[in-house]
This record gives sequence, C-alpha cells and structure tokens, in this order.
Amino acid sequence: EIVLTQSPGTLSLSPGERATLSCRASQSITANYFAWYQQKPGQAPRLLIYGASSRAVGIPDRFSGSGSGTDFTLIISRLEPEDFAVYYCQQYSSSPWTFGHGTKVEIK
Amino acid sequence: EVQLVESGGGVVRPGGSLRLSCAASGFTFDDYGMSWVRQVPGKGLEWVSNIDWNGGSTGYADSVKGRFTISRDNVKKTLYLQMNSLRVEDTALYYCAKDYYYGSGAYGAWGQGTLIIVSS
Repeated sequence: EIVLTQSPGTLSLSPGERATLSCRASQSITANYFAWYQQKPGQAPRLLIYGASSRAVGIPDRFSGSGSGTDFTLIISRLEPEDFAVYYCQQYSSSPWTFGHGTKVEIK
Repeated sequence: EVQLVESGGGVVRPGGSLRLSCAASGFTFDDYGMSWVRQVPGKGLEWVSNIDWNGGSTGYADSVKGRFTISRDNVKKTLYLQMNSLRVEDTALYYCAKDYYYGSGAYGAWGQGTLIIVSS
C-alpha cells in the first residue's frame, strides 16, 4: 500500500498569501495518477487537481499542482477567504487507492 | 447537474449488516466507474471499494475485504454497498463518488454521505 504523508499538518496564513502544501508518497506513483481535494466543514470533498497538475473543471487558476514520482505540491497563489479548508492528496496509481491525512489551511 | 444521493445508513450492532445505496442522476451512469469512500467524522478519507462501468471489475480495501460487496444496477442508475459482519471501526460517513472521467481513480463528484454507526 502506498502511504501518503502530507505536510505541514496545519498552515496558518492570511488572505492574499501564498500557500504551499506537500505530499510525499512511500513509493513512486506511475503516470501521475495523483489528485488533490478540498474539503470544508460539513461538505463532501471537491476535486481540485487530477493527473498531478490538471485543474478540474471550474477550479480557479490560483490553484496549481505539480510533482512526479514521490513528491507532489499544491500551490494556492493568493488565498481567498473561501480557500480556508482541509486539503487531501490521493494516489490512484496502485490499489488500494490511498489518501493523505490532510493539511488544514487556517486563517492566521 | 450531477447528483449522487446515498441512503441506507443507520445504527447497527457489531456483527450486523446494512446495505447502502447511491442513486445517480445528471450523467450517463454506465459510462463511469464508481466508488465508496468513508470518513470518520473529524478524521481523514479512506477508500473502501470501487467498481468499473459494468461491474466486471471490483476492488476492496483490506479492511473490508470479505465483508463488504460493491455492486451496481445500470438500469436503476444505482450503486450499492452490502456491508456484513460490521465492526465498531466501520463507524463512519460513507460517500459514494464518481470517477472524474472513464477509468480515472480521481473523483469528480461526491454525494453528501450516509452515516453508519456500529455500536452495541
């Protein structure tokens, strides 16, 4: 099973700042089968990024994903008030699909 | 608009059974693989099971293998999860999720979840 380790656990930032979230995999993820999700309290997760770097339909371009192999990054270029949430990474390269434990982006 | 509506949750004793359903609308159901993902309230996400477009291929997390069975009815546009031999650690909010595109394991749509509580 591929273990995904997200860092940091919590990121305290102000609106307008840049957020950099990391996810490291215990094994190489082939073909960039890697995604990022946003989850707000009381809501289901929302797909932001798939294929490591492709934005899902309707996702603002302030969200960008990068990485390959074992190291992946989600960048939110300028935080908007609605971006404060928990972010999860996911790999769907090798069964069982697995998720990271999440990074909470909170208002400083 | 894509909609996924789960039902069938509730309180069950350890060792008991439940069947979850997920009614789909707003897309061509049999064009997509589907999955169940669970989340203990306040905790992270755990993939449970997936099924391809026609039910010919399924996958399960080790934690549920042999106890849970995923299936689908493409005529009724409904996904199911039969859960047997339930354990306290199966307590969670269960989401059904739709592949973002055919063959993808990324989930482009989620239901609102149905809560399962396993308790004596």
